[in-house]
Formats: sequence, C-alpha cells, structure tokens
Amino acid sequence: GQNIDQPTEMTATEGAIVQINCTYQTSGFNGLFWYQQHAGEAPTFLSYNVLDGLEEKGRFSSFLSRSKGYSYLLLKELQMKDSASYLCAVRPLAGTALIFGKGTTLSVSS
Amino acid sequence: EPEVTQTPSHQVTQMGQEVILRCVPISNHLYFYWYRQILGQKVEFLVSFYNNEISEKSEIFDDQFSVERPDGSNFTLKIRSTKLEDSAMYFCASRDTGTHEQFFGPGTRLTVL
Repeated sequence: GQNIDQPTEMTATEGAIVQINCTYQTSGFNGLFWYQQHAGEAPTFLSYNVLDGLEEKGRFSSFLSRSKGYSYLLLKELQMKDSASYLCAVRPLAGTALIFGKGTTLSVSS
Repeated sequence: EPEVTQTPSHQVTQMGQEVILRCVPISNHLYFYWYRQILGQKVEFLVSFYNNEISEKSEIFDDQFSVERPDGSNFTLKIRSTKLEDSAMYFCASRDTGTHEQFFGPGTRLTVL
C-alpha cells in the first residue's frame, strides 16, 4: 500500500523560514516530488529527489532520507505569495504515476 | 513557455450523461496523465498513457472511464454515465522523455448534478 503523511496546516510570517515535513511508506520508491498548488490552480513542480541529501533551488530546498522514508521542503525568506498548498508526492518503483499526500496548506502573514 | 492546456475550464452535466474532457499536452512530450482532485481532498492518479496505449491505471479508473489520443495533439478523458461523486477537478499532465517533471494543465472543473 501507499501512505504519505504531511501536516495539514502551517503558518509563518514574511521573511521567516519554514520546514514542511513528509513521511512516506510505499510499496516501491523511484523519487519524491514537491509541488506547489495555489487555491483553484494546477500543481506546479518545485523539486525532485531520488538520492539522499539536499537539493537547493533558490529560496526552496528539498531533503530526502530514503532509509527513514522522510523528506522535507524548506522555504526561506517567505513571501506572501508563498501562501499555498505544498504537495508531497512519491513515484513508486512500478511506474511513473505520482501518488500524492493530502498537502500542507501554508499561510504566510505580514 | 510551452504549457498544457485543457478545455473546457468548467463543465456542468446531469447525472448519467457522458462527458469528454480535452487536453493538449506540451508538443514534444510523449507521456500523458490524468489526475483528479475532489474538492478539499488530495490529488489522485487515474491513468497514464504512452505510445498510444494505457501504461498504468489506478483502481479509480474503471470501465466508466476511457482515454484516447484522437490525433497528434489532443488527449481526451471520457467519463460515461457520470455520477455525483465524479464531481472534481480533472488535471491533465504531460512529461518529456528522460525527465521527471510532470507539467500539469489548469484543470477542468466537472460538476455533476
């Protein structure tokens, strides 16, 4: 079976740093993805990890530990426009479909 | 910048009717997907398509659903005999060969009355 857990909601203030955690238990593993989804819009790709370690891309970084079934998305220098849902998704070994978690709704206040 | 497009943006239908949701993937992409998201719930995989055939499908994708690539640019999802619980946002996505990123379209909001 597939199980992906992430917190439902988080709040933070402008300029701060926030870490969104994701734990997964899947029947296979061929990569972990983070997507951003603004309300009523399509998910947009943020990051991809398949090996252990940290991937940095501008203000956003993503970390993976395969042995722990754990990932986090780190957002630095938060801006109001970062208010959105952040979706953790796993690609099981057997195919290329993405299995999504329920998402973490981040609210950034001034 | 190339993008995935979907039509219509919103479709309202009566229970029991058939609907066809249309997608134009990014032109050089060969892998296509349909996902759905019921309001307030997670994004769920329906089906993936490659080389003119289904490569993977979820348990949601039963005989009520079908996909087709009728020409070189369109990719469609047909839902026969719609039910109330089919009301959701349906997203099409495409992916280029040798890459990991799936590009999502803006979605079609299906409302079944």
